[in-house]
Amino acid sequence: SQQGEEDPQALSIQEGENATMNCSYKTSINNLQWYRQNSGRGLVHLILIRSNEREKHSGRLRVTLDTSKKSSSLLITASRAADTASYFCATDAEGNNRLAFGKGNQVVVIP
Amino acid sequence: DAGVTQSPTHLIKTRGQQVTLRCSPKSGHDTVSWYQQALGQGPQFIFQYYEEEERQRGNFPDRFSGHQFPNYSSELNVNALLLGDSALYLCASSVGRYYGGTFGSGTRLTVV
Repeated sequence: SQQGEEDPQALSIQEGENATMNCSYKTSINNLQWYRQNSGRGLVHLILIRSNEREKHSGRLRVTLDTSKKSSSLLITASRAADTASYFCATDAEGNNRLAFGKGNQVVVIP
Repeated sequence: DAGVTQSPTHLIKTRGQQVTLRCSPKSGHDTVSWYQQALGQGPQFIFQYYEEEERQRGNFPDRFSGHQFPNYSSELNVNALLLGDSALYLCASSVGRYYGGTFGSGTRLTVV
């Protein structure tokens, strides 16, 4: 079953703007990861945040994790046309060693 | 350094047929996980192979089976294909039993 649920599911922004996506999950987790997928092809790992971390940065990406609310957010700053893709969160739940993906956010960055 | 290689890229099968998909892991990786991604959905975990054995399995029927070879490459077999098996099948490789890892570009299976 898919545990993560991203919100919103579709986002259209102008180049240079910031894009924020949210993800919620239902059970305790070991870590949460964000992936990008271009045009229904392979997934590219973006960032992993562990359950004992609250915020993590990687280049233009900022991820937050709130385990009390069982939610995470992904912020892409200064978006570029190349950021156009689907973004998925995936959780590695405690006691259930498999990745559970959400349904994904479609982000379109307009040049 | 080649990443994860999946073959074929696309294929079309008829309902009731059998299909075999292949995955070559990234160099140095010993674990292969398979995922099914229906159109507009997130990937769903099928199973994982490590040391040539199935270690974990998702909620998929026995029609879905796999194999891992001594060189760590893997096959996914699906018998008695249904229309609902149409999806992108993704393979991910990793070192040890990590359920993320490096993903291949996938095999697009269409069942008609």
